[in-house]
This record gives sequence, C-alpha cells and structure tokens, in this order.
Amino acid sequence: DTAVSQTPKYLVTQMGNDKSIKCEQNLGHDTMYWYKQDSKKFLKIMFSYNNKELIINETVPNRFSPKSPDKAHLNLHINSLELGDSAVYFCASSPRDRGSEKLFFGSGTQLSVL
Amino acid sequence: SQQGEEDPQALSIQEGENATMNCSYKTSINNLQWYRQNSGRGLVHLILIRSNEREKHSGRLRVTLDTSKKSSSLLITASRAADTASYFCATGSTSGTYKYIFGTGTRLKVLA
Repeated sequence: DTAVSQTPKYLVTQMGNDKSIKCEQNLGHDTMYWYKQDSKKFLKIMFSYNNKELIINETVPNRFSPKSPDKAHLNLHINSLELGDSAVYFCASSPRDRGSEKLFFGSGTQLSVL
Repeated sequence: SQQGEEDPQALSIQEGENATMNCSYKTSINNLQWYRQNSGRGLVHLILIRSNEREKHSGRLRVTLDTSKKSSSLLITASRAADTASYFCATGSTSGTYKYIFGTGTRLKVLA
C-alpha cells in the first residue's frame, strides 16, 4: 500500500491553464506539505497544513492554492500556469508538526508548462 | 535563504569504497535529517540526529553532527551500486515556524 500517493505523475499543459495535483496519505499523519523541486534539484517548501489548517505559506504566488478537505488530503491547485512553474512537485506528510519528525514523500508530479 | 548546503555536489566512487557527504546550515536547529532520492522518485528518510546528539549509526550509515560548526556528515560504508542516488540533508528548526529546510543535495554515483 502506498503511504503518500499523488496524482498525476506527469502533467503537461499550456501556459495560462489551470491544473490540480492531488495528494493523499494513509499514514494517519496530522501534517502535510507541498515541496517544489526545480531543475537543479533544489527542494523548497511551499505549504504546510496541520490537521487541515495552513501553518506555513512560503511566499508562494497566490496562483497556487492548497486545499485540505481533511487531514488525509492536501491538494494543490495552480491557476494561470507560467513557464517558471515547470518543476517536480512533491507532497509529504509527517506525524506531528514539531520540526522533529521525519517526512514521508510521495513519488512526485512532474509538471511541464509549454 | 537556503538552510542546508551539501558538499560535494557530486561524488563518484567504486563499489566497496566509503562515501562521505557534508552538510552545512545557518541557524539553530532542533534536528537534522538525511534523505535519499533515487532518480525520478520521492525522497526517502534515512536517519535523524537530534541537536543534543553527536553521532548516530544505522546499518552502513554513520551521521555526525557538530552544532558548534553548524555542520553534519553522512558516511556510507562499503558502498554498493544500489546506493547511487542523490542525498539531501534537511534541518528542523524550532525558531519561527516549524519546517524542514533542504539542502541542494549530493549526487552519488557508485560504479560497479
């Protein structure tokens, strides 16, 4: 059973489109995250939710809107896609938001904006 | 700004040799973690060391932490081709919001 699953794995779209990436974890964790990994493999946190509540928003453009319908799901919606949004997006979860627990990552969504 | 910086950026060794990667960070931390990322996959947690610990072992992995120098090292002993991956350090801080800051990673290639 996949612990943290995200869909789709690949997403190719045109500039200006709106797209969503879904993430679900079956680990019973309270905290979920979205990370963006650029072409140089630099991994940057975007958002963190603890029990459906937003706790970290790292100056991400407001075209990116996370949605957490329950603590097992954290979806990422992106409006008006731009070329610079092309990257791999990773969802992750952790047991507690204390900065002291390990992260469990999904396998990533490779977004290509043409 | 980015918290962790790994060194070297890339490392190529022969199977059976040891691989050492270093990580430096800038602010106070609660813990430091190491992750592995195989090509096209998500990150997998390897080991966590807390700020009051100096060394930790897990199988062929040995991690050290020097909080006075704000640095950590990951040693993989008797490397195998399957160890070929990128390795990232991540710091958990208790200052401000709780979040994990990742470094730029070390790309390790183990030649059979």
